[in-house]
Amino acid sequence: DAGVTQSPTHLIKTRGQQVTLRCSPKSGHDTVSWYQQALGQGPQFIFQYYEEEERQRGNFPDRFSGHQFPNYSSELNVNALLLGDSALYLCASSGGTGRIGANVLTFGAGSRLTVL
Amino acid sequence: GDSVTQMEGPVTLSEEAFLTINCTYTATGYPSLFWYVQYPGEGLQLLLKATKADDKGSNKGFEATYRKETTSFHLEKGSVQVSDSAVYFCALTFTGFQKLVFGTGTRLLVSP
Repeated sequence: DAGVTQSPTHLIKTRGQQVTLRCSPKSGHDTVSWYQQALGQGPQFIFQYYEEEERQRGNFPDRFSGHQFPNYSSELNVNALLLGDSALYLCASSGGTGRIGANVLTFGAGSRLTVL
Repeated sequence: GDSVTQMEGPVTLSEEAFLTINCTYTATGYPSLFWYVQYPGEGLQLLLKATKADDKGSNKGFEATYRKETTSFHLEKGSVQVSDSAVYFCALTFTGFQKLVFGTGTRLLVSP
């Protein structure tokens, strides 16, 4: 089982650019969540996707958007990058609500974004 | 809003020492509580969890008990190893929502 895979692992962008991060959930999982982890901080919830729709959203501006595909994989897009967007972006998958263990997330290793 | 507060690190211990990492929470209702561990260069791994008051989660020698009266979920281990060196995150969520609210993390450094 490959677990949750994310790409790219590292990337560098400049202010104002746009970035797309990708995530493949663990086999059998249908829900994907994205978190932002700034250096020395705990992860902050960005949003969650289920059945190709955004189901929940944290306190992040509209510059952060996402998508889920029919195969449950997901993308996180960030437009008009700011220096403060530099962080580790974590993808987590789970088995959907209403099922035992549904609130146990499996995390990927993350994509480290540096904005210069 | 819901929040989690952890003791600041780093926590520096010698091998075989006793470990306690404090975690308290503020939440409306009765959340499920988790400890996640992050090793260098890796994502978060679930260490243990508890879903209701007085539940004790345990894994790999680590334990934590859900204390509703003190809104706490302190992590303990009787004898730490060098391989336990990592960052530990306390977190909460509510069933059906799956959004995790994390503390800021506590770095543990264990020396031989």
